[in-house]
Order: sequence, then structure tokens, then C-alpha cells
Amino acid sequence: ETGVTQSPTHLIKTRGQQVTLRCSSQSGHNTVSWYQQALGQGPQFIFQYYREEENGRGNFPPRFSGLQFPNYSSELNVNALELDDSALYLCAATLGGGSRSEQFFGPGTRLTVL
Amino acid sequence: AQRVTQPEKLLSVFKGAPVELKCNYSYSGSPELFWYVQYSRQRLQLLLRHISRESIKGFTADLNKGETSFHLKKPFAQEEDSAMYYCALHGSSNTGKLIFGQGTTLQVKP
Repeated sequence: ETGVTQSPTHLIKTRGQQVTLRCSSQSGHNTVSWYQQALGQGPQFIFQYYREEENGRGNFPPRFSGLQFPNYSSELNVNALELDDSALYLCAATLGGGSRSEQFFGPGTRLTVL
Repeated sequence: AQRVTQPEKLLSVFKGAPVELKCNYSYSGSPELFWYVQYSRQRLQLLLRHISRESIKGFTADLNKGETSFHLKKPFAQEEDSAMYYCALHGSSNTGKLIFGQGTTLQVKP
């Protein structure tokens, strides 16, 4: 096991609502990345946090935001949900701060927006 | 533009047959390429990376910069190899951003 957990497993929201997804990793995982995986697609990079600061962002609007905490947990917040936000959201933790270190993925949170 | 293309959505082979999962990339610098695998009801996990130049579970992948390809190969497929395979690229930026292909489902029939 990688020690990366995500909650909740599944979530149903309606358009316009806000959602917070959580990720927890083990000691030493200083870097966390979030990905969105739409049905039938590969994961798409949303952003990365290193030592509680955003350290790179993909092509996602500002209504996608995140936080990283000193206890190696992280949150992904999405405001003003749209139908197209329905997807599997993955977090990936990396030991240390090396940008090319192996990323350990969590099991994902399945978000459905109605 | 940075891009990873996996042209096959599904590859179906019989047990014992050779397997080649195709991956082509577009990147102007020196990329680092990976293969990730997701078995049924399991999380995404790293299978191999090109800089390691190692064989994992009998799989190998060679980076061909001339053809911008990083195909995954195994000489004799096993039923337990059935899974979703993703090719991914890491650019030279200082972030851990991975660019994934769309994935190929490998189905190994008995």
C-alpha cells in the first residue's frame, strides 16, 4: 500500500454547489498533485502543492483551488460546480520535493454533478 | 505542445502471445517517460520508467527519440497482465506534472 487515502469515495452534488475533496498521505510526502480523470480519458493534471505552496498548475479555471497542510493532508476545492466537473479525482503524493520522484496515487473520489 | 498518444483503446491477445502497447509523445526537450498500470479495483501504480531501463513483470519499454515513441512490450502475455495501461510524460519543468495518454485496455484471453 502507498499510504495515500482519499475521502469521500463517492460524492453527488448539484450544479452550482461547492465541493471539498480530501487526500491524506504519510510522513515525508512533501508534494501532492491532483488530477481529474473523466470517463474514458487519462488523468489530467490540475495542480501541485509543495510545502503548502502551489507549485504548478494545469489548464483549469480558478474555481479549482487547493490547500496542503503540515500533516501531509491536502484538499481540492471546486466552486460553482458544472456538469463537466463529473469525474474521478485523484491525488498523488511524492516523497521529498524532487519533481521527478515517483508519484503514489490514491484510490480516487468519484464526483457526480447533476 | 506536450502530448501523449496511445492509439489503441483496446488490445486483446491470447495468453502466451507477444504484447506491444503503443505510445507516442510530443515534446521538444528531454522527456521522462513512464508506464502506469491500473488493475481491476486497484489504484493507479507505476509500472516502469525509461530511465531505469529495467524489466518489471516481464515488461520492457525503450525510448525511441527519433520516432518519439515509448512502446511497452512483453514477449509472452499472462492473464494477470489484463489491466488498463497509461503512458505518461514528465517534462523538464520543476513541477511533478505528468501528462497522460488516454490509456489502453489490455485483455489477455485464456
